[in-house]
This record gives sequence, C-alpha cells and structure tokens, in this order.
Amino acid sequence: GQSLEQPSEVTAVEGAIVQINCTYQTSGFYGLSWYQQHDGGAPTFLSYNALDGLEETGRFSSFLSRSDSYGYLLLQELQMKDSASYFCAVRDGSSARQLTFGSGTQLTVLP
Amino acid sequence: DVKVTQSSRYLVKRTGEKVFLECVQDMDHENMFWYRQDPGLGLRLIYFSYDVKMKEKGDIPEGYSVSREKKERFSLILESASTNQTSMYLCANSGLASADTQYFGPGTRLTVL
Repeated sequence: GQSLEQPSEVTAVEGAIVQINCTYQTSGFYGLSWYQQHDGGAPTFLSYNALDGLEETGRFSSFLSRSDSYGYLLLQELQMKDSASYFCAVRDGSSARQLTFGSGTQLTVLP
Repeated sequence: DVKVTQSSRYLVKRTGEKVFLECVQDMDHENMFWYRQDPGLGLRLIYFSYDVKMKEKGDIPEGYSVSREKKERFSLILESASTNQTSMYLCANSGLASADTQYFGPGTRLTVL
C-alpha cells in the first residue's frame, strides 16, 4: 500500500518562507502533487513533480527527491491568504489513475 | 471556466435513509472520483470510475455504491445512511493525460442524525 507523512500544522509570519515536507512509501511511483484547500473550500491543484528537482510557480515551488521518497512545498513571501491546508498526493503503480493523499498540513500565517 | 458541480452544499438525513449525491463535470474527463474528508484524516477515496458504467473500489467503499450512466455524471449512493457517514463528500475528476491534476467540486456537507 501507500502512505504519506506530512506535518499536521505549521505556523509562520507574513513575508516569511515556509517549507512543508512530505515523505511517502509507495509500490511504484509516477509523481508527487500538491493541493491547497482553504477553509470551507475545495482542494485546488498547485504543482506536480515527476522528476527530481525543483519546480517553480510564482511564489510557490515544489521539490522532489525520488531516491529519498521525499518532497516539499516551499512558499515564499507568505501572505495572509496563504493560510490554508496543504496536501501532498502520490500517483503510484498500483493504480495509475488515482491519487493517494496525505492527511494535510494546516498552515497559519500570522501578521 | 471549468465547472464541477455537486447537487447539494449541505444535506441533513436520518439514519436508515437512502442518500444520493450527484456530481457533474463539464470537462469531458474520463476519470471521476468520490472522496470523504474528515478532520485529521485527509481525503479518503471511496470509489472511482474511469469510464461510463465502470467503477472501482477505493480505500473505504463499505456502505457506499456508485453509478456512472453518463460520462459527465457520477453519483454516490448511501443505501442506508448511518451516523458514521456524517462527513464532507468531495467529487473530483481528471483527464487521461493529466491524472495528477484533479478538479474538485465544492463539496457536500452531509449530516446523518
């Protein structure tokens, strides 16, 4: 089976940089995704890594190390609106069409 | 603008009732999913479908069934609702070529009394 570990809570101040880590165990591996969910809202796709390295999309970057079964989401120049839950998800060899999600990291940005 | 709609935002039902949750997408995507979300447990997959009339069990299918008669529509059915099925239910879809990008509906908050 698959399992993902990510911290349950992270707190940071406006303007800071925060890193949310995710480690995974899978049988086969296609890629690691990140989703954002605001309170009361639906999850929305943020980024995807299939290969090792860093993917940058504006203030958000995502990193993957396949050999370490590890990835992270980096949020720079934090804004109050970044307060949300962040989920990592893997697509693995057991079913190439579905994602398995981590339990989520609640990010609180303080003024 | 892409759209994924769910039949209700909030729903209150009684124990033993049959409950239908419907999801409609206008993205012509093959894959559709039903999740439930509970605090501290993340998103857990109930069922998914990759084609009309096809369905696959997810991680927690017990107590649920699904129906996909048309490509754009995926229904989740609770045959006899129980209090432990009180949860947020989220529908999602993805395309064949972009399975890592799932598009979610707004969710249905179901309370079973």
